This record gives sequence, C-alpha cells and structure tokens, in this order.
Amino acid sequence: AQKITQTQPGMFVQEKEAVTLDCTYDTSDPSYGLFWYKQPSSGEMIFLIYQGSYDQQNATEGRYSLNFQKARKSANLVISASQLGDSAMYFCAMKGGTGGSYIPTFGRGTSLIVHP
Amino acid sequence: GAVVSQHPSWVICKSGTSVKIECRSLDFQATTMFWYRQFPKQSLMLMATSNEGSKATYEQGVEKDKFLINHASLTLSTLTVTSAHPEDSSFYICSAPNGLEAYNEQFFGPGTRLTVL
Repeated sequence: AQKITQTQPGMFVQEKEAVTLDCTYDTSDPSYGLFWYKQPSSGEMIFLIYQGSYDQQNATEGRYSLNFQKARKSANLVISASQLGDSAMYFCAMKGGTGGSYIPTFGRGTSLIVHP
Repeated sequence: GAVVSQHPSWVICKSGTSVKIECRSLDFQATTMFWYRQFPKQSLMLMATSNEGSKATYEQGVEKDKFLINHASLTLSTLTVTSAHPEDSSFYICSAPNGLEAYNEQFFGPGTRLTVL
C-alpha cells in the first residue's frame, strides 16, 4: 500500500525566511505523482505544486519548490520568503505508485505558522 | 484551473434529519469523484469513490446506508448523510480529478461544514 509520512506536526518560521516541510513516501512502483496542498483555516484545499516520478528537474512554482530526492523517497516542500498568509496546514499527497492507484494518499499534514 | 463547487458551504441540522451535500465539476466532466471527511487538525480521510453511472466504492468502516452517494451525471455527485447524529459533525470535502493518471491534478471543492445538534 502507498504511504505518505509527514513527521512535522507543526513548524514555525519568521516572516521572509525560508522553510522546508518534510515528506517521505513509500512505493515500489516507478510511476507516481507527488502533490502538495495548502489548507488555510477556511478549509479549502489549494494545489501548490506537482512532481512526477520521471521528472528530471525539481518542480518550482513561484515561491514554492519541491526538493525531490528519489533515492531517499522524499519530496520536501520549500517555501521561500515566507509571508504571514502562508500560515496554514500543508499536506503532501501521492498518486500512482504500488497498484497504480489514481486515488491520492495524503500525509497527516504539517501546521505552519509564520510570525512577524 | 478547473473548478469544483460544493453546496452548501455549511449546514446546521437537528439530530435525526438527513442532509444532502452537492459536488459539481463546473468546467470539466468527472467520471470519478471522491468524498473525504476531515476532523479538526487531522488529515483528509477518504470515505468513498463516486463513479458516474454505477455504485460508489466505500472505504472500510464507512457505513453505506448512512452516507448515501449518488453520481447522477458527469458533473454532479451528491452525498447524503442520513439520520445525522452529533458524531457526524465534521468537514466534508469532495474532489474530482481531471483524469485517472498519476499526473492528473485533483481539484477540490471548498468543503461543507456539518454541525449536527
């Protein structure tokens, strides 16, 4: 079965600093996709960034970048120049992997608090 | 990007009543939609996979008769919480992928906050 692990229940970062949110995954299938979502207190799930298992380069989207370490099975999210509005829950998710499931598996999430 | 709407955004009901939540894909067709339940400070828990034109696939431990799912068209799935009780109070989120490959994005509705008194 697919498994996503986020070991940081909570993270604090000072405004304008960079922060890394950890995510490791477990699969034996070579084809999979990794996603990061942001969930503010309003509850909506906001897609941030996607990394395919065959992508040669790390994904980047504005201030978000994904540090993809395939051999270590890690897909850490890096947020540069943190803003107060970045305070939210962040979820790592995987699709594909063992069994080729198209149903995403979510990690437990990391609560990020950005303070002035 | 694609949009998924969800209605209502919040609902308060009395114990014993039924509540229907609608999930619509506004600009794409979704043969499959997912229903999640989320408790405060926790992750999304998949309840069921809704399939257009066929029965939903429920996850282990989810009561089919309590959480009725109907995927009537390629753009609409509904979740009905029957005979709701206070323990059913939660945040319910639907999502629809724009394809069934690993790289296809998952689009989420804004969620429905259910409070059962």
